[in-house]
Amino acid sequence: AQTVTQSQPEMSVQEAETVTLSCTYDTSESDYYLFWYKQPPSRQMILVIRQEAYKQQNATENRFSVNFQKAAKSFSLKISDSQLGDAAMYFCAYRNYGGATNKLIFGTGTLLAVQP
Amino acid sequence: DSGVTQTPKHLITATGQRVTLRCSPRSGDLSVYWYQQSLDQGLQFLIQYYNGEERAKGNILERFSAQQFPDLHSELNLSSLELGDSALYFCASSVGGGLARGGELFFGEGSRLTVL
Repeated sequence: AQTVTQSQPEMSVQEAETVTLSCTYDTSESDYYLFWYKQPPSRQMILVIRQEAYKQQNATENRFSVNFQKAAKSFSLKISDSQLGDAAMYFCAYRNYGGATNKLIFGTGTLLAVQP
Repeated sequence: DSGVTQTPKHLITATGQRVTLRCSPRSGDLSVYWYQQSLDQGLQFLIQYYNGEERAKGNILERFSAQQFPDLHSELNLSSLELGDSALYFCASSVGGGLARGGELFFGEGSRLTVL
């Protein structure tokens, strides 16, 4: 079974600085998706960024980028120029490419605080 | 706005009672997923439906049941409620099994259940 591990329960960053959130996963599949979701205090689940495993190029969305290391099964999220609005719980998630079921499997989350 | 609608947003009930949570997926999405998020916990997968049929089961209690109707909306029924069932229940949708539109799940705002 696939698993997702986030080893940093909490992180803190100064406004305008850069922070990296870590995520590792385990799977025997070769094709899959990886995601970072953000959950602010409103508790809404917001997609931050996605990565398809077959793509070697790391995904980037504005100030958010990932470092995808397929062989190491590592998928970290880098937030540049951190803003107060980035403060939230961040979940790393895995999803099979297809198959009988393709539910999203979440890590336990990293709570990010942004200091002014 | 993700396009996924959940009702009610908040629900307070007593132990032993039964409640029904409703989810309308995004237009065109065939799969519905239910997740439970207890206080300070990650997201636990409960169940998935695809085009009216159960596709996968996760950590769903026998007291809980779900279904997806011909119009693709879904209901999650929680019965014989216990204090520990208090949680945020998310519904998410996607086009279906596979790759379409980037593979992400779109989440509703959740239904917050409080059992007293």
